[in-house]
Amino acid sequence: AQSVAQPEDQVNVAEGNPLTVKCTYSVSGNPYLFWYVQYPNRGLQFLLKYITGDNLVKGSYGFEAEFNKSQTSFHLKKPSALVSDSALYFCAVRDILSGSARQLTFGSGTQLTVLP
Amino acid sequence: ETGVTQTPRHLVMGMTNKKSLKCEQHLGHNAMYWYKQSAKKPLELMFVYSLEERVENNSVPSRFSPECPNSSHLFLHLHTLQPEDSALYLCASSQDKSGLTNTIYFGEGSWLTVV
Repeated sequence: AQSVAQPEDQVNVAEGNPLTVKCTYSVSGNPYLFWYVQYPNRGLQFLLKYITGDNLVKGSYGFEAEFNKSQTSFHLKKPSALVSDSALYFCAVRDILSGSARQLTFGSGTQLTVLP
Repeated sequence: ETGVTQTPRHLVMGMTNKKSLKCEQHLGHNAMYWYKQSAKKPLELMFVYSLEERVENNSVPSRFSPECPNSSHLFLHLHTLQPEDSALYLCASSQDKSGLTNTIYFGEGSWLTVV
């Protein structure tokens, strides 16, 4: 079975400071990992994904994420946070060896607040 | 504009009503999904259609009935819902392909309130 954990419900960071939103995963085989962002009263927007290759993945809006196989983590990062980055962030995993390979399993979400 | 359009954006219905949620994707994808997002809970996958055939049904009560008439349209028919069914219902689509590296793209969601 596949699962993903976002250990922090809430992350606060000052504008201009670097931000990190944490994600750890559990899969049977090799993971496909995704990050999505949800602004208030909106749907989920795709930010980036890791399939294979370079462990550092760059995505939309200046975000990047680092895949760490030994720590089973895929933390989302941005060098300099903006107030407009304040939103709910979801990590998701797909395990191609699972019985339900189409299913994208989501974490519970992390609310990021960037303080001016 | 996400390429996945959901209507209505907001719906209030009584427990004896029958209503439908509609989703249309303009991305040329061949797979469509319904997800349920409730407060304080992870997103729950409800149904998956690939090439207009239902390929997953994740133990969803029969009061939710999906319909996929073609690869661009997806409906969720609602009948005799319960107040606990109040949630944000998200439609999504992807290009289903081997290796399952496809990205799922979401609509803006339909807020459902059952009274």
